[in-house]
Amino acid sequence: EVQLVESGGGLIQPGGSLRLSCAVSGVNVGTQYMAWVRQAPGKGLEWVSVIYSLGDRKYADSVKGRFTISRDKSTNTLYLQMNSLRVEDTAVYYCARAYGGLDYWGQGTLVTVSS
Amino acid sequence: EIVLTQSPATLPLSPGERATLSCRASQSAGNFLAWYQQKPGQVPRLLIYDVSNRASGIPDRFSGSGSGTDFTLTITSLEPEDFAVYYCQHRSSWSFGGGTKVEIK
Repeated sequence: EVQLVESGGGLIQPGGSLRLSCAVSGVNVGTQYMAWVRQAPGKGLEWVSVIYSLGDRKYADSVKGRFTISRDKSTNTLYLQMNSLRVEDTAVYYCARAYGGLDYWGQGTLVTVSS
Repeated sequence: EIVLTQSPATLPLSPGERATLSCRASQSAGNFLAWYQQKPGQVPRLLIYDVSNRASGIPDRFSGSGSGTDFTLTITSLEPEDFAVYYCQHRSSWSFGGGTKVEIK
């Protein structure tokens, strides 16, 4: 069974950095398309980033240059390094496996950017 | 980037009624269109992928159709557990639509 568990969220001041982790079990993170999706309070879903099986990466315009997606095959973990955080980055961040659609999701981790 | 526009924003219906949700793409979306359901406080759930393929465990009252720029999610007879927010997504550009809330009339 595929399971994804996010961690690393919290309260951070504007301009700060945070690294989110997504522990993956049941599939090899190095052979999958893996994505991050966020949801601001009371708002819809927003795709953030994806890493393809061959390692190519893609980012939403809203986070390009500030966020970096990566993976560690040895620990089967997906990461999202978030720098220069803004108030508008406040959201629940989900990691998800992409196969057809986003078929497996973690429970999410809340990131709050506030002074 | 493909922009997805969902309509209506809110759809008031009664249990047993048919729900028809629309998702329009700013350019041809190929067959890369997926639909998700999200209930309050829950994680989104994949319903449909590649326009018309039901994900594992999804009841057959849910169906997807469409081509080019116009896509539809149909729920043939609403069950109480179907009242939720529905999102479409293009799995090549990764963008989501703004969502349609199916609420009890």
